[in-house]
Amino acid sequence: AQTVTQSQPEMSVQEAETVTLSCTYDTSESNYYLFWYKQPPSRQMILVIRQEAYKQQNATENRFSVNFQKAAKSFSLKISDSQLGDTAMYFCAFMENRNQGGKLIFGQGTELSVKP
Amino acid sequence: DTEVTQTPKHLVMGMTNKKSLKCEQHMGHRAMYWYKQKAKKPPELMFVYSYEKLSINESVPSRFSPECPNSSLLNLHLHALQPEDSALYLCASTLRTTGTGYPDTQYFGPGTRLTVL
Repeated sequence: AQTVTQSQPEMSVQEAETVTLSCTYDTSESNYYLFWYKQPPSRQMILVIRQEAYKQQNATENRFSVNFQKAAKSFSLKISDSQLGDTAMYFCAFMENRNQGGKLIFGQGTELSVKP
Repeated sequence: DTEVTQTPKHLVMGMTNKKSLKCEQHMGHRAMYWYKQKAKKPPELMFVYSYEKLSINESVPSRFSPECPNSSLLNLHLHALQPEDSALYLCASTLRTTGTGYPDTQYFGPGTRLTVL
């Protein structure tokens, strides 16, 4: 069965600094999709970034980028120039390509606090 | 527009009440999902509807009854709930399911915070 592990339950970073959230996963599939979702205190789950496993190039979205290491099954999220609005719970999620119904497997989450 | 709406935002109900949660999207998505989320925990999948048909039921108790009247609307009917059912209930949708071999991003609604007394 696929699993997703986020080993950092809580992290904090100073405003304007860079922080990296780690995520590892386990699968026997070769084609799959990985996501980072952000859930601020308002509790709305928001997509941050998405990576297709067949793409070697790491995805980027403005201040957010990933380091995707397929062989190591690692998918870390880097947040540059951290802002107070980045304070949230971050979930790493996995979806295999052949999964019927698009079932997402979530990690346990990392609670990020950005301090002024 | 990637908007999924959910009503009500908050709901308080007794264990003998019957209530319903509503989720709506007008993005042409054909797969819709219900999740249950406890505080500081990841969402837990409850049900998946694909092209208005129930495709996944994650062994959810029968006191939760989903309904998909059309491709834009998803309901969750609640009856005889327990206090441990208090949680945030999230709805999500995707353009298509992975049955086509091409999974799509799930877009989430803001959730309904349910309290069972």
